[in-house]
Amino acid sequence: GNSVTQMEGPVTLSEEAFLTINCTYTATGYPSLFWYVQYPGEGLQLLLKATKADDKGSNKGFEATYRKETTSFHLEKGSVQVSDSAVYFCALSARGGGNEKLTFGTGTRLTIIP
Amino acid sequence: EAQVTQNPRYLITVTGKKLTVTCSQNMNHEYMSWYRQDPGLGLRQIYYSMNVEVTDKGDVPEGYKVSRKEKRNFPLILESPSPNQTSLYFCASRSQGGGYEQYFGPGTRLTVT
Repeated sequence: GNSVTQMEGPVTLSEEAFLTINCTYTATGYPSLFWYVQYPGEGLQLLLKATKADDKGSNKGFEATYRKETTSFHLEKGSVQVSDSAVYFCALSARGGGNEKLTFGTGTRLTIIP
Repeated sequence: EAQVTQNPRYLITVTGKKLTVTCSQNMNHEYMSWYRQDPGLGLRQIYYSMNVEVTDKGDVPEGYKVSRKEKRNFPLILESPSPNQTSLYFCASRSQGGGYEQYFGPGTRLTVT
């Protein structure tokens, strides 16, 4: 079946540091890939997505590239801010079959200290 | 404003007392789904619905029921809640169109004692 493995947390960084959160996946076919963010006390918000190999998703300074050869979708940001503190989920959605449910990783809690 | 709403946001109940968590979306989405979030497990799908009167089981359906009588609403029913259903629940919806982006509600934190 489909699965997503992402970097164990928690991750603590200083403001303006470089961020990488690793994500790899196992899926049949060609899934769409997503990063969702969950701020304290809130629901999940889509951060970025990529629907085919070599696509780069980007939003709010975050980027991730769909790497089919390494089955990866690592999240990066060049300079993090305190407001980026949240839980980040990598997810995939396999195409076809109607459900196209999201399969999530376990989440990575990120804390940015001033 | 396009949104998914859930009620209640917080609920503490006792074992065996039936409860319903409501979910409503105003985006005219065909697809709706329920997930539960547990520490160390991420989010797992409970049930989904492709359209009105069309529902099916997800990965962890035991102990839950759903219905889809109207396009905008997708309630989650726990007929006889048990402590292992203590969790954070999210409703989500999306269009049947491309992109497969799902929009999530704010979550319902349920505690069953």
